[in-house]
Amino acid sequence: DTEVTQTPKHLVMGMTNKKSLKCEQHMGHRAMYWYKQKAKKPPELMFVYSYEKLSINESVPSRFSPECPNSSLLNLHLHALQPEDSALYLCASSQVRITNEKLFFGSGTQLSVL
Amino acid sequence: AQTVTQSQPEMSVQEAETVTLSCTYDTSESDYYLFWYKQPPSRQMILVIRQEAYKQQNATENRFSVNFQKAAKSFSLKISDSQLGDAAMYFCAYRSASEGTYKYIFGTGTRLKVLA
Repeated sequence: DTEVTQTPKHLVMGMTNKKSLKCEQHMGHRAMYWYKQKAKKPPELMFVYSYEKLSINESVPSRFSPECPNSSLLNLHLHALQPEDSALYLCASSQVRITNEKLFFGSGTQLSVL
Repeated sequence: AQTVTQSQPEMSVQEAETVTLSCTYDTSESDYYLFWYKQPPSRQMILVIRQEAYKQQNATENRFSVNFQKAAKSFSLKISDSQLGDAAMYFCAYRSASEGTYKYIFGTGTRLKVLA
């Protein structure tokens, strides 16, 4: 299994809603990532978890709250988002050891904030 | 700080022809990794090819090959026998080889159109 599975594929939410994005992988990868991508732009790193511990937080607003409950799952909890948060949210995973490391991406969640 | 530059926002190639996408980067590190990722309309990022900086030999994957010039800090992607399925956004990316560094630096991307 070389897949990173993201759900839902599409999400529309109001600015007062609370929602969660889910990411799952079964490749034994111990590093998991959240990226945000606006149209026609490269992905921007938001968070990195290594061995289920938050390693990197790229100064992301607190209305985005990541969670890594176990080595296969990564969640992104959303609350009180703004319209400018509308984007494609990509999850990725990789081995922690640098040798032969590469990112495996999910197909993303297209988020629209109304 | 490292930077990655893709100077071609858009390229076109005729089906079955060859096209080269350019990428330059800036770093003071001697050990690092370079990648080309493809993002088709489905928007899933797919690894095309990976190059270790310490290897002089250019990486190849079937119809995809790179021209890695370490001194010039250049990392171009050559696609041979282009196919309609190659149409996508292509991102060049840099990653430090330092353990515990998880940041990938992406270029701004090159949109490749394949003409039938």
